[in-house]
Amino acid sequence: KQEVTQIPAALSVPEGENLVLNCSFTDSAIYNLQWFRQDPGKGLTSLLLIQSSQREQTSGRLNASLDKSSGRSTLYIAASQPGDSATYLCAVLGGSQGNLIFGKGTKLSVKP
Amino acid sequence: SQTIHQWPATLVQPVGSPLSLECTVEGTSNPNLYWYRQAAGRGLQLLFYSVGIGQISSEVPQNLSASRPQDRQFILSSKKLLLSDSGFYLCAWSVLGTSYTFGSGTRLTVV
Repeated sequence: KQEVTQIPAALSVPEGENLVLNCSFTDSAIYNLQWFRQDPGKGLTSLLLIQSSQREQTSGRLNASLDKSSGRSTLYIAASQPGDSATYLCAVLGGSQGNLIFGKGTKLSVKP
Repeated sequence: SQTIHQWPATLVQPVGSPLSLECTVEGTSNPNLYWYRQAAGRGLQLLFYSVGIGQISSEVPQNLSASRPQDRQFILSSKKLLLSDSGFYLCAWSVLGTSYTFGSGTRLTVV
């Protein structure tokens, strides 16, 4: 059974720092991996999607990498801003029905 | 463009009352549809998914049911709510291989 783990559970950094969020998964037979952002009391906003054949994806200050063989992904946020404060969720798509399996998230706080 | 609508945004219901949450998708055909629940301090749990009209798969046995009466409509129901049904319910859609798109969620509090 696929399990997704995100480390750390919470992170507090000063504004301007570069930071890395980690995600690991137990079954490397995934179809793709997706990073989401969730603001308090809100739905999920998709940030980046990496197909299993890809190594990384970039969007603005965000860069996500995927090492499928080792079951790991990282989300790199450059020059963090207070507006980046949110919970970041990693999810992998796998299985015959293509269901998305989520980690529990990393709660990020960027201090001005 | 594709959009997903979910309502209501918040709901407070007494124990034993019925539940109906609705989700509709626009701008796509024959999507896969999903209901997730996010309980306080826990991760997102897949409750139901549907690959077509009338086709529902349940991931977790529970007090809830789902239906898909139309291609782009997905409904989550309960005949009698329990306290443990409280949580944040999210509807999502996808086409296999593409990213999932989530609705804005329904905060359900059972009292």
